[in-house]
Amino acid sequence: QKEVEQNSGPLSVPEGAIASLNCTYSDRVSQSFFWYRQYSGKSPELIMSIYSNGDKEDGRFTAQLNKASQYVSLLIRDSQPSDSATYLCAVSDEDSNYQLIWGAGTKLIIKP
Amino acid sequence: DADVTQTPRNRITKTGKRIMLECSQTKGHDRMYWYRQDPGLGLRLIYYSFDVKDINKGEISDGYSVSRQAQAKFSLSLESAIPNQTALYFCATSEAGETQYFGPGTRLLVL
Repeated sequence: QKEVEQNSGPLSVPEGAIASLNCTYSDRVSQSFFWYRQYSGKSPELIMSIYSNGDKEDGRFTAQLNKASQYVSLLIRDSQPSDSATYLCAVSDEDSNYQLIWGAGTKLIIKP
Repeated sequence: DADVTQTPRNRITKTGKRIMLECSQTKGHDRMYWYRQDPGLGLRLIYYSFDVKDINKGEISDGYSVSRQAQAKFSLSLESAIPNQTALYFCATSEAGETQYFGPGTRLLVL
């Protein structure tokens, strides 16, 4: 069974520091990778998508993809209390018409 | 206006009742999905539809049914609600292999 694994946390990071969130996946042929943020009781919202090996930066967020090692990470620079949320990693399943396989999420807490 | 809407936003029902959750989207996407999320757990796929004539079961379809009335509308029914169907339900839409966009969710409590 194809899986996406994340440390459930909580991951506690001081305000202003870098938060590093990691995700590993089992399917070597996956091509699309997504990071979503979900506040408690709210719907997931997309932060970043990444399709090629390497880094992709968007403001304070950087997604890193390493297909050989089958991991994708999300770095949040200058962490703010408003970044406190659960971060979901999702990976495309090329064998099922590009549906997404979801990780269970990492809870991030930014301490003022 | 929101691109993906869900009604109702909150619902309390009793065991054995039939209920319907509705989802509408204005993004023009062909693909629509229904997920449930339980406290502390990830998203689990209930049903998905790649177009009006294509509906597929997800990993936890037992006790649920769906209807794709139009490209923009996808409804989820609980035929006979039971307490362990108490959860947060999300509808989502996407194009193939692309970002999924979520509705605001429906919080369901089955007594």
